Amino acid sequence: AQSVTQLDSQVPVFEEAPVELRCNYSSSVSVYLFWYVQYPNQGLQLLLKYLSGSTLVKGINGFEAEFNKSQTSFHLRKPSVHISDTAEYFCAVSDSQGAQKLVFGQGTRLTINP
Amino acid sequence: GAVVSQHPSRVICKSGTSVKIECRSLDFQATTMFWYRQFPKQSLMLMATSNEGSKATYEQGVEKDKFLINHASLTLSTLTVTSAHPEDSSFYICSARDTGPYTEAFFGQGTRLTVV
Repeated sequence: AQSVTQLDSQVPVFEEAPVELRCNYSSSVSVYLFWYVQYPNQGLQLLLKYLSGSTLVKGINGFEAEFNKSQTSFHLRKPSVHISDTAEYFCAVSDSQGAQKLVFGQGTRLTINP
Repeated sequence: GAVVSQHPSRVICKSGTSVKIECRSLDFQATTMFWYRQFPKQSLMLMATSNEGSKATYEQGVEKDKFLINHASLTLSTLTVTSAHPEDSSFYICSARDTGPYTEAFFGQGTRLTVV
């Protein structure tokens, strides 16, 4: 079974500042990793995913994440945030075999202040 | 990306009644659909996985007789909350996955269920 821990429940940042949202996972098998964004009362939108290959993954809206197998981490970063980035962010993991159902972290509320 | 449409987006029902939520894949065939429940300010909890034409697989602790899932076609899955009670009030989200060794899961917009 897999599990995901998002270390920060809330992250306040000033506009145009950089941000890092932390995610650690545990699994006994190889995994796929994802970051999703959720705006209020909406479903989830995929920001980026790691399946294999390069450990630095670039996604939409200027976000990127780096897969670190030795530290079992998949932290999300953006060099300069905008007000519109205010949302809930979820890290998720699925096994790379079998059912591929997603296990989500607890979420991180990113608030961008002007 | 592909589109998953979930309907209704909001529903209010009386305690004891049943409510059906639909999840449709609009431009692809969804061999697998997932139903999640999200409590306020919390993460998504997987309720069940459904494969087209077969019975859904429920996660531990989810009452299959209360949350009926039907995946009768490759583009439609439904979740029926039977004999709803106020504690069933929540945000329900579906996701759908296409065929292939691995493909991305696309999410619906969610349904806010309020039982009064």
